[in-house]
Amino acid sequence: ETGVTQSPTHLIKTRGQQVTLRCSSQSGHNTVSWYQQALGQGPQFIFQYYREEENGRGNFPPRFSGLQFPNYSSELNVNALELDDSALYLCASSPTGVEQYFGPGTRLTVT
Amino acid sequence: QKEVEQNSGPLSVPEGAIASLNCTYSDRGSQSFFWYRQYSGKSPELIMFIYSNGDKEDGRFTAQLNKASQYVSLLIRDSQPSDSATYLCAGLMNRDDKIIFGKGTRLHILP
Repeated sequence: ETGVTQSPTHLIKTRGQQVTLRCSSQSGHNTVSWYQQALGQGPQFIFQYYREEENGRGNFPPRFSGLQFPNYSSELNVNALELDDSALYLCASSPTGVEQYFGPGTRLTVT
Repeated sequence: QKEVEQNSGPLSVPEGAIASLNCTYSDRGSQSFFWYRQYSGKSPELIMFIYSNGDKEDGRFTAQLNKASQYVSLLIRDSQPSDSATYLCAGLMNRDDKIIFGKGTRLHILP
């Protein structure tokens, strides 16, 4: 167990809706990253937050947004959901911003 | 060329033998590499990271990095059925400081 928690575990949404996923970092880790993992693929980097500021972003559209809070917990928001957004969403915290320690993930299904 | 490439497998190895997993990367300036293990339906778990050329050993696992040839490998000695999983290779790309994952190699240890 990494000490990173995520909620909810599973979620079903309809195309066009909005969703918020939550993550609580491991104690002492001030960097959090979010990844999307489609079936049979490796995790794809969405963005990273360090001390409440976004400090890196992957090739995802602006409808993917995030927040990091003073206690280093984090949210991933996705607007205007599309069918292709169905995936496992992984939060990872890091003490250095390099090695990633993943939470259990949130399985999002968009219908 | 994909930034981090792995053979998807499956790689079948008899119990007790050495499993050898390989990964190549495109960004010659990349410095840091990681191996994750992912069981079906679970999130990735960090096994090892390596920053320097050569070998790094941790228990039954040995990571090898060859920067001149741009490849990373993971050796698992005395393979056990519990080692059956997907192994993800990841690299911190020097170009933009993003961590890029390969698609993973499925490893099956035959009892």
